Amino acid sequence: KAGVTQTPRYLIKTRGQQVTLSCSPISGHRSVSWYQQTPGQGLQFLFEYFSETQRNKGNFPGRFSGRQFSNSRSEMNVSTLELGDSALYLCASSGIPATEAFFGQGTRLTVV
Amino acid sequence: AQRVTQPEKLLSVFKGAPVELKCNYSYSGSPELFWYVQYSRQRLQLLLRHISRESIKGFTADLNKGETSFHLKKPFAQEEDSAMYYCALSGNAGGTSYGKLTFGQGTILTVHP
Repeated sequence: KAGVTQTPRYLIKTRGQQVTLSCSPISGHRSVSWYQQTPGQGLQFLFEYFSETQRNKGNFPGRFSGRQFSNSRSEMNVSTLELGDSALYLCASSGIPATEAFFGQGTRLTVV
Repeated sequence: AQRVTQPEKLLSVFKGAPVELKCNYSYSGSPELFWYVQYSRQRLQLLLRHISRESIKGFTADLNKGETSFHLKKPFAQEEDSAMYYCALSGNAGGTSYGKLTFGQGTILTVHP
């Protein structure tokens, strides 16, 4: 079956703009999580959605938000972009019963 | 608060040598521990989880609750083992959710021929 798909793969945005990233989980998976990966901070948890509800949230400012749709697809939005938001954003999905988190290829966001 | 520490950012060994990637954690409850691996130009993928107690690609990891460690070991390293390895913790032992993982900083393993 198809893996976790993230679009777009690459993005270049200007400081102050906003951006929306998309994640399609593995079919049947209802949990979708988002992570930010940077060389300095490593992999940091942003938030998790399950059945359209945010179930967990990491320590990121309110500029980072997300949502999940009824088909379990998820989007994350970053408003008022800062240079420090440049990172690889990873999405992961897991099913029920959960055995592991399956990761997408990521979206590389560059803020200039 | 939960925390995962991987003390080695880089680890180099020769083919056929034993390898051990260290992982220590702090968590007040009963965690579930994982090792994820990222090969060059591939996505992050699960290598093994402590609950399954399996050996995957010759790698094993034992959860030591007394030392709060989950070190990854392989007796004879292969060149194809070269990758980035992440230790991760889920605060939901029992498998109800793997939606929130706390990762260590990762260790880049290089196996020389």
